[in-house]
Amino acid sequence: KQEVTQIPAALSVPEGENLVLNCSFTDSAIYNLQWFRQDPGKGLTSLLLIQSSQREQTSGRLNASLDKSSGRSTLYIAASQPGDSATYLCAVRDNDMRFGAGTRLTVKP
Amino acid sequence: DAMVIQNPRYQVTQFGKPVTLSCSQTLNHNVMYWYQQKSSQAPKLLFHYYDKDFNNEADTPDNFQSRRPNTSFCFLDIRSPGLGDAAMYLCATSRDRWLTNEQFFGPGTRLTVL
Repeated sequence: KQEVTQIPAALSVPEGENLVLNCSFTDSAIYNLQWFRQDPGKGLTSLLLIQSSQREQTSGRLNASLDKSSGRSTLYIAASQPGDSATYLCAVRDNDMRFGAGTRLTVKP
Repeated sequence: DAMVIQNPRYQVTQFGKPVTLSCSQTLNHNVMYWYQQKSSQAPKLLFHYYDKDFNNEADTPDNFQSRRPNTSFCFLDIRSPGLGDAAMYLCATSRDRWLTNEQFFGPGTRLTVL
């Protein structure tokens, strides 16, 4: 059974810092991996989708990479801003869609 | 804008009193999903519809049911809510059931059980 882990559970950084969020999964036989943002009490906003054949995807200040063989993905956020404060979840798609529990990011002004 | 809409955003019900949560979408997607997310936990898939074909997850309690009367709408019915059913309920859609498809989520309904 696929297990998805996100470490750390919480992260606090000063504004302007570049940061990396980590996602690991136990079964490399995936179709894609999706990164989401969730604000408190809100739904999920899709940030980036990486298909299994891709190595990375970029959107603005965000860059997501995928290394299937090692079961890892990273979400890189450049020049962080207080508005980036949220919980970031990754989800892998095999025959199901399995989420990590998320990393709660706080960017301090 | 095309989107996934959930109503209500907040729902309070009493222990054992049936409740229905609503999801609609303007994306014209074939697949609609319902997830349960408890505090600080990962979303957990309850079931999904591919068109009119209902697919229940093996560990979804019988207390949870779903209806999809048309392409645009999908409902989550909780027949006898317990305190443990208090959670955020997320609806999502994808264009097709192809496993490469991206999922789009609604804002969620937060359910409180008194």
